[in-house]
Amino acid sequence: EAQVTQNPRYLITVTGKKLTVTCSQNMNHEYMSWYRQDPGLGLRQIYYSMNVEVTDKGDVPEGYKVSRKEKRNFPLILESPSPNQTSLYFCASSPSPYPYEQYFGPGTRLTVT
Amino acid sequence: AQKITQTQPGMFVQEKEAVTLDCTYDTSDQSYGLFWYKQPSSGEMIFLIYQGSYDEQNATEGRYSLNFQKARKSANLVISASQLGDSAMYFCAMREGDSNAGGTSYGKLTFGQGTILTVHP
Repeated sequence: EAQVTQNPRYLITVTGKKLTVTCSQNMNHEYMSWYRQDPGLGLRQIYYSMNVEVTDKGDVPEGYKVSRKEKRNFPLILESPSPNQTSLYFCASSPSPYPYEQYFGPGTRLTVT
Repeated sequence: AQKITQTQPGMFVQEKEAVTLDCTYDTSDQSYGLFWYKQPSSGEMIFLIYQGSYDEQNATEGRYSLNFQKARKSANLVISASQLGDSAMYFCAMREGDSNAGGTSYGKLTFGQGTILTVHP
């Protein structure tokens, strides 16, 4: 089944404890992206990747890192999480940046205390 | 300035009636794409419909149609014959083309704030 998977789905952590949210797609898509969703703000892009080893900042990259060493994986790293990073996170992929719709993962709900 | 604006925080509709969800956008690009996504209470993001800036006809997908008015920069979603399962949050989104000199907007998807639709029986 074609899909985007994220792990973990739910995570409660403490301030400053490094964490990684994994994202994997099995559709051979070139383009992958991370978003965070906060009430009243819709979804905002954190980072995106046009292809392997090519990543760029979105609208809200502060406090996040990403890497794209393989086409299928695009992990999101929070080196020192803070409470303002409590949010719902989505990974998405598409065959190319434009004009295709993006396929979203199921979301990861992160709480930082 | 907001690039995508959804002015209706919440909408109510009677089952089997049609409803229009508003979306206006702002871009200087000639080439762009407009998308609508549905997010039910379970949280997943479901793609509904796409309209390209050069498409002359309004996009349709089953009960969903996109009322694209380019001069007004609006891309309203019309849901016909509403069903209880249509109750969800709906997001309008735009993907701009490659006219940005730095290329940083290419491929980026910008979302509106969302509209919560409630369908009454």
